[in-house]
This record gives sequence, structure tokens and C-alpha cells, in this order.
Amino acid sequence: GESVGLHLPTLSVQEGDNSIINCAYSNSASDYFIWYKQESGKGPQFIIDIRSNMDKRQGQRVTVLLNKTVKHLSLQIAATQPGDSAVYFCAETSFQKLVFGTGTRLLVSP
Amino acid sequence: DVKVTQSSRYLVKRTGEKVFLECVQDMDHENMFWYRQDPGLGLRLIYFSYDVKMKEKGDIPEGYSVSREKKERFSLILESASTNQTSMYLCASRDGQGANEQFFGPGTRLTVL
Repeated sequence: GESVGLHLPTLSVQEGDNSIINCAYSNSASDYFIWYKQESGKGPQFIIDIRSNMDKRQGQRVTVLLNKTVKHLSLQIAATQPGDSAVYFCAETSFQKLVFGTGTRLLVSP
Repeated sequence: DVKVTQSSRYLVKRTGEKVFLECVQDMDHENMFWYRQDPGLGLRLIYFSYDVKMKEKGDIPEGYSVSREKKERFSLILESASTNQTSMYLCASRDGQGANEQFFGPGTRLTVL
């Protein structure tokens, strides 16, 4: 079946480093992707999105890259801060429903 | 500021009890969703609603039902709670006008003993 998954369950970085969180998807018909951030005790919060007709989209300190050839999505966080520590989910839109990956925990050390 | 609220942050119930989880959004969104979140499984869609009095099954509807009597409120019902329904429950809403982003509530952690 279709699935959305993440390569690494936990990513540890030093404050100030750049972080890269990866996601693989298998539904080639998906036309929209979202990255969510979930802090402890809170619901997921929208970070950035990208449509399938784009390869790259930048936000404030975050960049999402989409490689449709290998069905790969990544989230890059520049100058990672302790406040970035959270679980990050990618999600794809399939028939107007969001299908979520299992999440990657980002740990930022001072 | 958009807001999705859930009636309880933590809830403890006993096996066999009927459980109501309430969700309210103040954004006048047409679409509302209920997910459960479990370690290693991510978010799984239980039910969703495109409009008042409408409901659609998600990926794991068994053991659950929903009610959408008013646009701003979407209720998740566990008719007879079981221990395997111990989980984090997340409600979300979305504007129905072609939008994709879903706005989430803070979640309800339900424990069934």
C-alpha cells in the first residue's frame, strides 16, 4: 500500500548546526506535501509546505526540497536552535486526506 | 489567531465506559478530523467530516463513532472503551475551499484501564 516514512527516528545536532530531516513517500500521485513540528505536549504545528510542481521552497530558516524522481522529501533547518527540538512529521495529500510519516525526533544540544 | 480546542488534555476511563472527546474550532472551517497518535505509528485518521452532519470513515474507524451537529464542533465517541484505545487523540480542522493545511488541537491523552 501507499506509505510515508522517515529514514531516521532520532537526529541529534549541536546548536548552530544545520539540520536535515528526510522523508520517503511512495504515492507518486501525491501533489502536496507538508512538514509539521510537534513539541512535547502540543499538537502538530505547520512549518512549511510544497506542491509537487516545485523542487524547493524556502521559509524563515527552513527549506523543503522535493525530489520526485526518487520520491524523497527533506526539511532543512538552518542554524538550529534549542527551540527547534521537537518531533517533525512529513505528510502527503492523498485524495484530500493527509497521510503522515511516523516522525523524526530532533534533539538540539547547547 | 486560529484555534482548535479539545475538551480535555488528560482523561482516564475504565474498560467498557462510553467516552466523549470534544473538539471545537473557531475558524469557520468546513472540514474536521480525528486522529490517534501512537509511538512508531504516527498519526492515523479515525474519522473526518466535510460538513455539518456529514462523516466519513478514515483508516481506523473500528470502535469509534463521531458526531457533527454544528459546524464548529466535532465529537469522537468511544461506545465501549477498551485498553487498546489508550492513545493520544488529536483533532484538526481545515478550510474547505481547496486548502490543504490542517490546524491541530493540543491533543487528549486517553488512558483506558
